[in-house]
Amino acid sequence: KQEVTQIPAALSVPEGENLVLNCSFTDSAIYNLQWFRQDPGKGLTSLLLIQSSQREQTSGRLNASLDKSSGRSTLYIAASQPGDSATYLCAQIGAGNNRKLIWGLGTSLAVNP
Amino acid sequence: NAGVTQTPKFQVLKTGQSMTLQCAQDMNHNSMYWYRQDPGMGLRLIYYSASEGTTDKGEVPNGYNVSRLNKREFSLRLESAAPSQTSVYFCASSSGGYSHSGNTIYFGEGSWLTVV
Repeated sequence: KQEVTQIPAALSVPEGENLVLNCSFTDSAIYNLQWFRQDPGKGLTSLLLIQSSQREQTSGRLNASLDKSSGRSTLYIAASQPGDSATYLCAQIGAGNNRKLIWGLGTSLAVNP
Repeated sequence: NAGVTQTPKFQVLKTGQSMTLQCAQDMNHNSMYWYRQDPGMGLRLIYYSASEGTTDKGEVPNGYNVSRLNKREFSLRLESAAPSQTSVYFCASSSGGYSHSGNTIYFGEGSWLTVV
């Protein structure tokens, strides 16, 4: 069964710290991997999408990497701010015929001023 | 920029009642989806529609029906609500098919449904 695991489930850091969120997946035949942000009481917002042929994607203070051989993706947040507090989810699309999204449960991030 | 709009935002139902969740997108997307999100279970796909006039079952379709009314609108109906359907429901859309071939997915802000 294809699975996506996010560790830790929750993280609390002081403002200004650089941090890494982890996402592990079991299907090495990955098509792409996406990172999303979810604020309390809100929907999900797409942050970064990494195609299987790519190693990383960057947007502002966010950098996402993809290592297919180890089945891992990381989301790096530089100089964290209280406004970064949210739940971060990753989702993988397998490269098989049934290219469905497999979701992780998310990491709840709190950045303290 | 409305994006994906879903209504209602909150609803309390009694067991056995029926209701319809409405969703509309203004991005001219072909594909639309209904997810439910539950603590410890993550996001699970209920139904999706790859194009106007087509719908397909996702992971947890039992107890639900959908209608792709036109390209903009995709509704989710609970015919006889059960307490197990208490959840947060999200509508989403993307330009590509369900393969999500690299296309960004846009989500609505959610509908909180409680069945008592």
